[in-house]
Amino acid sequence: DAGVTQSPTHLIKTRGQQVTLRCSPISGHKSVSWYQQVLGQGPQFIFQYYEKEERGRGNFPDRFSARQFPNYSSELNVNALLLGDSALYLCASSPTIQFTDTQYFGPGTRLTVL
Amino acid sequence: DQQVKQNSPSLSVQEGRISILNCDYTNSMFDYFLWYKKYPAEGPTFLISISSIKDKNEDGRFTVFLNKSAKHLSLHIVPSQPGDSAVYFCAASAGNQFYFGTGTSLTVIP
Repeated sequence: DAGVTQSPTHLIKTRGQQVTLRCSPISGHKSVSWYQQVLGQGPQFIFQYYEKEERGRGNFPDRFSARQFPNYSSELNVNALLLGDSALYLCASSPTIQFTDTQYFGPGTRLTVL
Repeated sequence: DQQVKQNSPSLSVQEGRISILNCDYTNSMFDYFLWYKKYPAEGPTFLISISSIKDKNEDGRFTVFLNKSAKHLSLHIVPSQPGDSAVYFCAASAGNQFYFGTGTSLTVIP
């Protein structure tokens, strides 16, 4: 079975632009979570989506938004990009909404904001 | 506000010896703790977990210990192997929130 896939692999944007990152979960997984990992730090929780609804949100500004589609894939949108948004964005899927279920991570999208 | 902390950014251990990675947390509402391993250019992979109602969980060479009174958990790897060289993150969950630590880079020297 295919693991979690993310696209694109790398992305370069300039300040003020908008970006959309995509994630396809493992087949059968209904929960998708997004994380931001800044260089030298651990991943920070941004969102959890389950059954197409937002179920959890970390401490991120409203410039960050996401959605989940009927096939459980997900998009993360970031508006008005800042230099500080440069990071590795990780997507994780799991079968249920519970964080006690193992999360399976994709390889990430490396976003560079110039 | 770093609720999960790993105070050792790096650790070097000889092959065959024990590796001990430490993690401290501040939020007493955390009810589930996990360790993830991350290789370069890959996403984190789950290693082992422990519920807050337990104080020890073992899986092969990996054992996680939880000390709730000290708000401290540790991961023991015995014996350490060169393939264990990676960045290790502890993580904790409370309800619909999930927190990672800052990571410890483990190098196992052959």
